[in-house]
Amino acid sequence: NAGVMQNPRHLVRRRGQEARLRCSPMKGHSHVYWYRQLPEEGLKFMVYLQKENIIDESGMPKERFSAEFPKEGPSILRIQQVVRGDSAAYFCASSPPGQGANTQYFGPGTRLTVL
Amino acid sequence: DAKTTQPTSMDCAEGRAANLPCNHSTISGNEYVYWYRQIHSQGPQYIIHGLKNNETNEMASLIITEDRKSSTLILPHATLRDTAVYYCIVRVARSQGNLIFGKGTKLSVKP
Repeated sequence: NAGVMQNPRHLVRRRGQEARLRCSPMKGHSHVYWYRQLPEEGLKFMVYLQKENIIDESGMPKERFSAEFPKEGPSILRIQQVVRGDSAAYFCASSPPGQGANTQYFGPGTRLTVL
Repeated sequence: DAKTTQPTSMDCAEGRAANLPCNHSTISGNEYVYWYRQIHSQGPQYIIHGLKNNETNEMASLIITEDRKSSTLILPHATLRDTAVYYCIVRVARSQGNLIFGKGTKLSVKP
């Protein structure tokens, strides 16, 4: 059973460009979470999605950032008009449906560098 | 979710047991204790979780005090590859919400 997959692993963008980060959850998982880790800082929650629905986006900046988890395909975190402060590691996690402990499993991350 | 307190850093000799403490004095009866770790530049790795009984898996053991106000993660035979930041997180059972990561404990395993 493959783990959470993220691509690309490294992404370089110039200021003003768009960044698209992809996350494929573990098989059978229907919940996806995005976290951001700025250099030398801790992980901060951004957004929580289920298939075709955003459940909690309280950690997402109000402008330039958006996320989706379509019925088919991976979850996408989209950053428009990137700025240097967006340089960070972006981690995706997934958890299974149901009422258990709902452990989240993380992917290897996408490291975004904005020049 | 309840707040946790962990030491900033700890050292451990290779081959010895690493005991990482966590205080969660305001934990509620329906909250689990989770442990994750983050090895440098990698994604967080789930280690173990528990509600009130001690738990053991292939990676570690989790000892939760009877009053549930604190817990200890035990790596029985630490290796250099266990050097990482270890996070103790308390979370409501059956919650699908986000994890709240604190600063964690930086464990350095030394030869």
